Amino acid sequence: DAGITQSPRYKITETGRQVTLMCHQTWSHSYMFWYRQDLGHGLRLIYYSAAADITDKGEVPDGYVVSRSKTENFPLTLESATRSQTSVYFCASSRGQGQPQHFGDGTRLSIL
Amino acid sequence: GQQVMQIPQYQHVQEGEDFTTYCNSSTTLSNIQWYKQRPGGHPVFLIQLVKSGEVKKQKRLTFQFGEAKKNSSLHITATQTTDVGTYFCAVLRTGANNLFFGTGTRLTVIP
Repeated sequence: DAGITQSPRYKITETGRQVTLMCHQTWSHSYMFWYRQDLGHGLRLIYYSAAADITDKGEVPDGYVVSRSKTENFPLTLESATRSQTSVYFCASSRGQGQPQHFGDGTRLSIL
Repeated sequence: GQQVMQIPQYQHVQEGEDFTTYCNSSTTLSNIQWYKQRPGGHPVFLIQLVKSGEVKKQKRLTFQFGEAKKNSSLHITATQTTDVGTYFCAVLRTGANNLFFGTGTRLTVIP
């Protein structure tokens, strides 16, 4: 769906660098989510947001920071990237709590 | 700890054979959702089940929610190569705020 876009699609960086992954949705969904997907672990929730200026930790929040100043944007920042953060990152949104989620195309992040 | 168990982890079938994946939870669920992720793609929502014993169909796909609302299954009749991908269940435990995704079942269909 074109309603939720992630950028960049691919990113290679070095350990210790700061990286920001962008997520933008046009549906005015209240909820937004960041997941990481690794082989054998499925999708693990990093952070989520119920509305602008409201964010909360998910299952694996360590090493990540989020903000949500506007409803449509939910950037994810790795303040000091580590190799263990090499993964595919998906942003998603939903109308409400527990409702079906719509995913972006993902960002494939490699940290060398 | 493990919140939801999805089995099998992998399944290879001949085209035309049936396929079933199961999702099991130790706790009662408010609802369960199923998603499909094609290779290289992103998860796409398929269906949501809410009621005890609920059965829903989408063409060759049949989704079932257990009577105790602790398990669910997805059955595909007469698989096609377009069914290839990973199928995830996502559960909302009673009283929880967020969905928890299973580890998925990767389906390969051999032509």
